[in-house]
Amino acid sequence: AQTVTQSQPEMSVQEAETVTLSCTYDTSESNYYLFWYKQPPSRQMILVIRQEAYKQQNATENRFSVNFQKAAKSFSLKISDSQLGDTAMYFCAFMNPGGSEKLVFGKGTKLTVNP
Amino acid sequence: NAGVMQNPRHLVRRRGQEARLRCSPMKGHSHVYWYRQLPEEGLKFMVYLQKENIIDESGMPKERFSAEFPKEGPSILRIQQVVRGDSAAYFCASSRPSTYEQFFGPGTRLTVL
Repeated sequence: AQTVTQSQPEMSVQEAETVTLSCTYDTSESNYYLFWYKQPPSRQMILVIRQEAYKQQNATENRFSVNFQKAAKSFSLKISDSQLGDTAMYFCAFMNPGGSEKLVFGKGTKLTVNP
Repeated sequence: NAGVMQNPRHLVRRRGQEARLRCSPMKGHSHVYWYRQLPEEGLKFMVYLQKENIIDESGMPKERFSAEFPKEGPSILRIQQVVRGDSAAYFCASSRPSTYEQFFGPGTRLTVL
């Protein structure tokens, strides 16, 4: 069974600075997808970024980028120029497309952006 | 294009009652997933459905819980004889086939008194 580990329960960063959230996972599959979701206080789950394992190039979405290390099974999220609206829980998730397409989530990292 | 709709947003039940949670997927999405989030936890997969079929229910408790996604109408997650431990946020997500990208609804927060 796949597992996802987020080792940082809480983090904080000053507005406009850069922060990196860690995620590791365990799988025997060679093809899979990785995701970062954001859950602000409204509790709505918002997709931040997605990475396909067979793509070597790291995904980027505006201020959000990932560092995908397939051999190390590591998938960290970098947030540049942090904004107050980035304050939220961040969840790393894994999906095996050859299975039931269910998402396996980590326990989350609570990020606070300070003014 | 409306997002994934869930209702009710908040549901209060007494122990032993039934809870029915509804999910309307995005237009064109035929895959529905239900997840449960306990306080201070990540989301846990419960069940994956396509129209009129349960594809994977490996995360759903064997008793008291059931799910359906009929040909017409929303997907329903039904919890019979609720207990306090069922108190949680229940999220529905939907996707198009083979896109591997799930869009989430706002969730239903179930409180069992």
